[in-house]
Amino acid sequence: AQSVTQPDIHITVSEGASLELRCNYSYGATPYLFWYVQSPGQGLQLLLKYFSGDTLVQGIKGFEAEFKRSQSSFNLRKPSVHWSDAAEYFCAVDFSGGYNKLIFGAGTRLAVHP
Amino acid sequence: DGGITQSPKYLFRKEGQNVTLSCEQNLNHDAMYWYRQDPGQGLRLIYYSQIVNDFQKGDIAEGYSVSREKKESFPLTVTSAQKNPTAFYLCASLSGGAFQPQHFGDGTRLSIL
Repeated sequence: AQSVTQPDIHITVSEGASLELRCNYSYGATPYLFWYVQSPGQGLQLLLKYFSGDTLVQGIKGFEAEFKRSQSSFNLRKPSVHWSDAAEYFCAVDFSGGYNKLIFGAGTRLAVHP
Repeated sequence: DGGITQSPKYLFRKEGQNVTLSCEQNLNHDAMYWYRQDPGQGLRLIYYSQIVNDFQKGDIAEGYSVSREKKESFPLTVTSAQKNPTAFYLCASLSGGAFQPQHFGDGTRLSIL
């Protein structure tokens, strides 16, 4: 079965430090990739998406992600974390060829120390 | 402002009762989705609808039912057959066409009394 793995359940970083959240997916033809962020008790907000083209994509709030087909990965990065970035982050993959059926990873909860 | 409205924010149900969660969108989106979120498990698809009067089961449809009589509305009923209904439920929608991201409501937290 197709799956999405976020290996880190919790990550803690200091404010101003760099951040990388990992996402790996099971092999599939041309996946479409998303990162969402969720604040406690809220819905999900789209950070960025990858469909094709340049494998480094820029998103909102200073986030970027790099698609590496050879590693089946789509890691999310931010050069300098702010306290307001504390939230839960979800990687999601559309294996259905663009028909919008998403499979979500289990999420990574980010804590930011002052 | 356009968006997705889920109501209520918190819902309590007695065992053996059915309960309906509301999801309304004014984005003129064609497709709508219901997800269930449990701690440490991410989101799992319950039902989705790509057009009015049509819907399909997702990965965990047992114990749930939906209707799509209007484009803007996609209510979810949690029936008494759902043995573990306590969860956070999220509704999403997206416009027609491929490669579009889903837009999410703020969710409804359902608890069993």
